[in-house]
Amino acid sequence: EAQVTQNPRYLITVTGKKLTVTCSQNMNHEYMSWYRQDPGLGLRQIYYSMNVEVTDKGDVPEGYKVSRKEKRNFPLILESPSPNQTSLYFCASSQLGELFFGEGSRLTVL
Amino acid sequence: AQSVTQLDSQVPVFEEAPVELRCNYSSSVSVYLFWYVQYPNQGLQLLLKYLSGSTLVESINGFEAEFNKSQTSFHLRKPSVHISDTAEYFCAVKGGGADGLTFGKGTHLIIQP
Repeated sequence: EAQVTQNPRYLITVTGKKLTVTCSQNMNHEYMSWYRQDPGLGLRQIYYSMNVEVTDKGDVPEGYKVSRKEKRNFPLILESPSPNQTSLYFCASSQLGELFFGEGSRLTVL
Repeated sequence: AQSVTQLDSQVPVFEEAPVELRCNYSSSVSVYLFWYVQYPNQGLQLLLKYLSGSTLVESINGFEAEFNKSQTSFHLRKPSVHISDTAEYFCAVKGGGADGLTFGKGTHLIIQP
């Protein structure tokens, strides 16, 4: 089954404790992206990757890092999380402009 | 750069009534247009898309959207809604080149029995 898988689905952490949200897709898509969803703001792009070893900033990249060492994986790294990064995060991969989303990761930073 | 405006943050309608969710976009290049749906506690799913060809596109569950280039709109319609259509609906645009999708802020469709 074609899918995008994110982990963890839910996480509560404290300010400053580094965390990684993993994302993996099995559709051989070159393009992958991370979004955050906040009430009243819709989805905003954090980072995206056109292919292996190629990443670029989206609209709200501050406080995040990504890497793309393999085509299927695109982890999102929060080196020092802060409460304003409490949000619902979605990973997506794309073919011909159509995005396929993961189920989402709800992150709470205390 | 592209932008998307969804004019209504919430749209309450009665079951079996028709509904229209409005979406306007701005772009300096040719665009692809999408509607995504997010059911409660789930990720986003593609509802329908316009890439080229016929300006009227349909989904399998009765929704349709019409691409209107002169009005830069891609409004979503359904002639008769069901309680199961309760969800958040996002309009999105992709411009030419390598850009990802730009999303609107979403419209919460609330179906009242």
